[in-house]
Amino acid sequence: AQKVTQAQTEISVVEKEDVTLDCVYETRDTTYYLFWYKQPPSGELVFLIRRNSFDEQNEISGRYSWNFQKSTSSFNFTITASQVVDSAVYFCALRISNFGNEKLTFGTGTRLTIIP
Amino acid sequence: GAGVSQSPRYKVAKRGQDVALRCDPISGHVSLFWYQQALGQGPEFLTYFQNEAQLDKSGLPSDRFFAERPEGSVSTLKIQRTQQEDSAVYLCASSWTQGQNTEAFFGQGTRLTVV
Repeated sequence: AQKVTQAQTEISVVEKEDVTLDCVYETRDTTYYLFWYKQPPSGELVFLIRRNSFDEQNEISGRYSWNFQKSTSSFNFTITASQVVDSAVYFCALRISNFGNEKLTFGTGTRLTIIP
Repeated sequence: GAGVSQSPRYKVAKRGQDVALRCDPISGHVSLFWYQQALGQGPEFLTYFQNEAQLDKSGLPSDRFFAERPEGSVSTLKIQRTQQEDSAVYLCASSWTQGQNTEAFFGQGTRLTVV
């Protein structure tokens, strides 16, 4: 069985501070995919990034960066110079690579509040 | 629109009523998913279609829940004899192909409240 843990339930930071959201996952599969989604108050889950288990290279996209470490089963997400528009609930998710089994296993989410 | 569309956005049902929730996926997307999101929780998988075939329904919580996608496009999630514990946001998602190197796009969800 797969499991995703987001230990931080809520985080508040002042605008322009950097913030890191933690994600730890569990799976016995050697091939899998990790995701981050953003859920603003409107409710729609917005895709941010997909990473496969064979690619441990860190990724940067503007103010966002992701650190994937298989040794610690972690896939952490950092927002640099946070802005009020970053306020949302962020979900980390895992999908194993089995044909016919494409479901995502989500963590419980981290509610991020950026204080102006 | 270009995104996943769900209707209605909000639904209030009396306990014992049947409800039907609709999902219009992105045109051409093969895979379609339903998730249930309780307040303050992450989405939980309910069921998955590839075209019209329902390949995984392991997440459906009881036989009161039924989903269909008869023509491989629009999908309907039906809940019979609703109960208060069914109150949640129901999210639909679709993805382009059946391959693994894709991401799912989500709709805004239907918030179901059973009173």
